[in-house]
Amino acid sequence: GAGVSQTPSNKVTEKGKYVELRCDPISGHTALYWYRQSLGQGPEFLIYFQGTGAADDSGLPNDRFFAVRPEGSVSTLKIQRTERGDSAVYLCASSLTAPVNEQFFGPGTRLTVL
Amino acid sequence: SQELEQSPQSLIVQEGKNLTINCTSSKTLYGLYWYKQKYGEGLIFLMMLQKGGEEKSHEKITAKLDEKKQQSSLHITASQPSHAGIYLCGAAGGYNKLIFGAGTRLAVHP
Repeated sequence: GAGVSQTPSNKVTEKGKYVELRCDPISGHTALYWYRQSLGQGPEFLIYFQGTGAADDSGLPNDRFFAVRPEGSVSTLKIQRTERGDSAVYLCASSLTAPVNEQFFGPGTRLTVL
Repeated sequence: SQELEQSPQSLIVQEGKNLTINCTSSKTLYGLYWYKQKYGEGLIFLMMLQKGGEEKSHEKITAKLDEKKQQSSLHITASQPSHAGIYLCGAAGGYNKLIFGAGTRLAVHP
């Protein structure tokens, strides 16, 4: 399939551990977004990449969160010293270009911090 | 900052019934997106509305944007079990991101 893929689909970790979440966008999509969805809520914006650069990281909650997209395709969201409050579904989306147009979402990674 | 409020929060209907979901913005809407989400899955794009008064339809789902009221509505005609899921409205929150409402959870009973 040619959709957005995310790995792993589920991740269980212990408080204080480091985790990496991966996103493979649709080929040719230059814009990539990360969102976080808590139970019973809509997705909340974290960070936006245009190409290799993070054009807007205003949604990252604190400096424990970091994301990269070194070659302008695959992106990795990194969370240091995980806390129980980080438990959520992390969604990745991509689009052809910005400004905002149709964003195609991946299935998400469900992160559980024990 | 812009906020989107969806109503109702949840909805249970009998198969074949019509239903409407509303999305109200705290600020003027310049673009409104409707997505559907099933449990454990990503968001599926339904429709995008950009102009005041615009109306779009796809199969049995119709969405309207009333720019003056800062509202959008999603109407489903003759609902089916396949329509069940979470419906999310999203607004362009700037150049590059979407701001979402909390979602409306729809159940359709046969």
